[in-house]
Amino acid sequence: IAGITQAPTSQILAAGRRMTLRCTQDMRHNAMYWYRQDLGLGLRLIHYSNTAGTTGKGEVPDGYSVSRANTDDFPLTLASAVPSQTSVYFCASSDSGQGGEQFFGPGTRLTVL
Amino acid sequence: GENVEQHPSTLSVQEGDSAVIKCTYSDSASNYFPWYKQELGKRPQLIIDIRSNVGEKKDQRIAVTLNKTAKHFSLHITETQPEDSAVYFCAARFSGGYQKVTFGTGTKLQVIP
Repeated sequence: IAGITQAPTSQILAAGRRMTLRCTQDMRHNAMYWYRQDLGLGLRLIHYSNTAGTTGKGEVPDGYSVSRANTDDFPLTLASAVPSQTSVYFCASSDSGQGGEQFFGPGTRLTVL
Repeated sequence: GENVEQHPSTLSVQEGDSAVIKCTYSDSASNYFPWYKQELGKRPQLIIDIRSNVGEKKDQRIAVTLNKTAKHFSLHITETQPEDSAVYFCAARFSGGYQKVTFGTGTKLQVIP
C-alpha cells in the first residue's frame, strides 16, 4: 500500500442495510477523517480521529459511526442506510506535526436506494 | 465552530487570463489556510497553503494572499491553462479542533482554450 486507500470503490445499497466503508493508510499519520461530498455543499466532516483509540464528531455525524482500533485503519459504518446518505465519501489522514496537509483517499461512491 | 464561505461557485476564464477565488472565515484564531484542487472524478489534492504569520505565498503560477484583519484569503492563478480546469476548495483550520479543517463549498473553474 502506498498512501491511503478506500474500499469499496462504489456500492449500491438498499435502504435499511448496514454498510462499512473501509479506509487504510500506511503513512503512520495520527489523524484521520471521514468526509462526505455532495454537489454544492463541498466537503463536510462526518467524524475524525486525532489518534488511535480516540474519535470525535464532525459537522454531520448522525447516522454514522467510526472506530480507530489502530493507527492505520479508520472504518466508517452506516448502521441503517437511508437515501440521504447517497454521496461520495472521502477518507483523509494528516500528520500530527506542523504540516497540516490532509491526504485524501480515492473515495467511495455510495448509492442508497 | 468555524464557517468558511467561498466565491464564486463557478468561474470561466479564457486561457491565459487570471483567475481569482475568494474565501472568508469566521474564527479569528484560525491559523492555517490550505487550498485543494479536485479534478473530475479524482480526490482533492493540496496545491498551496498559507499560515497566519504570512501575508502572501507564491508557487509558480499560483499565489495565495491572506488578510487576517478582514478574515479573508484568496487564490490567484495566472496564465491559466486548460489543465487548471477543476474544482478548487479553500479551507481553514478550526483552532478549537486538533487538525480539523473546515472546507468552503468549492469553485468550479473552467479555462476555455
